[in-house]
Amino acid sequence: ETGVTQSPTHLIKTRGQQVTLRCSSQSGHNTVSWYQQALGQGPQFIFQYYREEENGRGNFPPRFSGLQFPNYSSELNVNALELDDSALYLCASSFLFGEETQYFGPGTRLLVL
Amino acid sequence: DQQVKQNSPSLSVQEGRISILNCDYTNSMFDYFLWYKKYPAEGPTFLISISSIKDKNEDGRFTVFLNKSAKHLSLHIVPSQPGDSAVYFCAATMQGAQKLVFGQGTRLTINP
Repeated sequence: ETGVTQSPTHLIKTRGQQVTLRCSSQSGHNTVSWYQQALGQGPQFIFQYYREEENGRGNFPPRFSGLQFPNYSSELNVNALELDDSALYLCASSFLFGEETQYFGPGTRLLVL
Repeated sequence: DQQVKQNSPSLSVQEGRISILNCDYTNSMFDYFLWYKKYPAEGPTFLISISSIKDKNEDGRFTVFLNKSAKHLSLHIVPSQPGDSAVYFCAATMQGAQKLVFGQGTRLTINP
């Protein structure tokens, strides 16, 4: 059974640029969530996707957007990058929609200069 | 508004002894709680969870205790092993909800 995978592992961007992060859910999982983890903090919920639609969003501006594909893989897009967007971005998948336990990937470390 | 708090940023325990990690929450709507463990350069790994209908759940060396009246939960690791050295996150949610709300984490160090 393949776990959650994310790419790339590290990324450096400059302020104002756009970035796309990718995630492949654990095999058989149909729900994917994205989290942002700033240094020294716990992960913060960005949004969740189920059946290719956003289903729940945390306190993040619209320049954070996402997609879920029919094979349950997912993308997180961030436009107009700001310095404070520098963080570890974590993707998590759940076997069923509404299931509490989420399984995390290794994350993408984004640095905005 | 920090709804889930882990007030100890770090904890140091001798190998073989008990490690106790604590977590407090403020939102009484939370009814499901999880503990995750995180090594550097890896994502959080699910350890153990508990529903609010229980006050204890065990899985091998790991036991989670829930005190709903105090809005407090704790993770006990017995006996502690060097491989347990990691950052531990407490998370809370409402059953059927989309998001997990995490604490800030506690760095556990097991000394030989």
